[in-house]
Amino acid sequence: EPEVTQTPSHQVTQMGQEVILRCVPISNHLYFYWYRQILGQKVEFLVSFYNNEISEKSEIFDDQFSVERPDGSNFTLKIRSTKLEDSAMYFCASSGTKQPQHFGDGTRLSIL
Amino acid sequence: SQQGEEDPQALSIQEGENATMNCSYKTSINNLQWYRQNSGRGLVHLILIRSNEREKHSGRLRVTLDTSKKSSSLLITASRAADTASYFCATDFYNTDKLIFGTGTRLQVFP
Repeated sequence: EPEVTQTPSHQVTQMGQEVILRCVPISNHLYFYWYRQILGQKVEFLVSFYNNEISEKSEIFDDQFSVERPDGSNFTLKIRSTKLEDSAMYFCASSGTKQPQHFGDGTRLSIL
Repeated sequence: SQQGEEDPQALSIQEGENATMNCSYKTSINNLQWYRQNSGRGLVHLILIRSNEREKHSGRLRVTLDTSKKSSSLLITASRAADTASYFCATDFYNTDKLIFGTGTRLQVFP
């Protein structure tokens, strides 16, 4: 069964450094999403992406965050200058017709 | 706010027993979905129920939706140790496709 693939599985970064989280969505999907889950908390929506542009973003998704679909298969989340509070599990999701959304295994981001 | 709240927060049962988890939400929804998350892993989609549906089955899973009470339940029948995981409800709304997740129920199934 097709699945969403995320790399790396764990990323450790110094505060203030840039980090790029990578995702390969399911190949025929058109809608792409990033969510995050801080340890012990709910899964939170960050951003949705369709037709090469952001369709919706949350308050969390400030100017430090950006997304890109650099080619036909990858979808990336960049955090420009990481903060301690960015430490979380980041999930990429994709969908063919908006719902249901299919999630990857996540990238655990640890900011030191 | 458009929050999903689930109860119980934790549930422990023996293999073979049924597990029931509940989800409540606050505003009118388009769809409600249930996801499973094994410890430290991603979210696995289990089942989607539309706002005009009242009940849906998938294998050992049964989901009900009561839009008048703004609540849903997930029943896992004949549970197995492999069902041990956290279960989340997630709702979406007519003017957006973002998912709002509930707080989750941690299910422990003992062999």
